Amino acid sequence: DVKVTQSSRYLVKRTGEKVFLECVQDMDHENMFWYRQDPGLGLRLIYFSYDVKMKEKGDIPEGYSVSREKKERFSLILESASTNQTSMYLCASSLAGAGETQYFGPGTRLLVL
Amino acid sequence: GESVGLHLPTLSVQEGDNSIINCAYSNSASDYFIWYKQESGKGPQFIIDIRSNMDKRQGQRVTVLLNKTVKHLSLQIAATQPGDSAVYFCAENIRGSNYKLTFGKGTLLTVNP
Repeated sequence: DVKVTQSSRYLVKRTGEKVFLECVQDMDHENMFWYRQDPGLGLRLIYFSYDVKMKEKGDIPEGYSVSREKKERFSLILESASTNQTSMYLCASSLAGAGETQYFGPGTRLLVL
Repeated sequence: GESVGLHLPTLSVQEGDNSIINCAYSNSASDYFIWYKQESGKGPQFIIDIRSNMDKRQGQRVTVLLNKTVKHLSLQIAATQPGDSAVYFCAENIRGSNYKLTFGKGTLLTVNP
C-alpha cells in the first residue's frame, strides 16, 4: 500500500511566522505535490516536484516555497504566514509520467492567527 | 476555470440503495480519470480510475462509466453503506499535461440508515 504521511494534522501559527510542512512517501515515487483545499474552491496545486532538487510552480505558488532534498521527502514552506493561508494542506505522490494516480496524505489543517 | 464539474453538490440515499455520482468534463483531450473519496478531516483516498480507451471499469462495489461522446463520467456504488458517506470528486488528466490533474469540487454523499 502507498503510504504518504504528513508531519502534523493540525497547526496554529501567528501572522509573520515561518511555517514548515513536511511530507514523506514510502513508495519510491518520483513525483510529489503540495495542494491546498478550501471550501468551494476544491484542490489547487501549489508546487510540484518531479525529482530531487527539482520543482515547478503550480497554480498558486505565491507566498510559498518548497524543498526536496531527498526523494521521499517534500517540504512546503510559508516564509511569512498570513491569515489567507489558513487552509487544509494536502501532500500527494505518484510515479513519473502522464496519467499516473496521485496518492494523498492525511492533510494538515493550518490556522494562521 | 476547471473543466471538471459535478451535476449535484449533494446526494442523499438510503442504506442498501445504489448511488450514482456524476461528473462532466469539457476537454476532449482528457485521457485519464480518477475518482477519489474524502471523509471528513482526512485526505482524499483513491477509489478507481479509468483510461479513455475504456467505457467501463469495475471494482469492489464500485463501477466507473465513461461516456466520451457527451464527456460524462459517473461513479456507481452498489449497496451503499453508512461508511460510504463522504465527499466524492473526480479528477482528469489532459493528454500532454504530464503530471497535472484537474479536480472537480466534489459531491457530498450522505447515507441514511
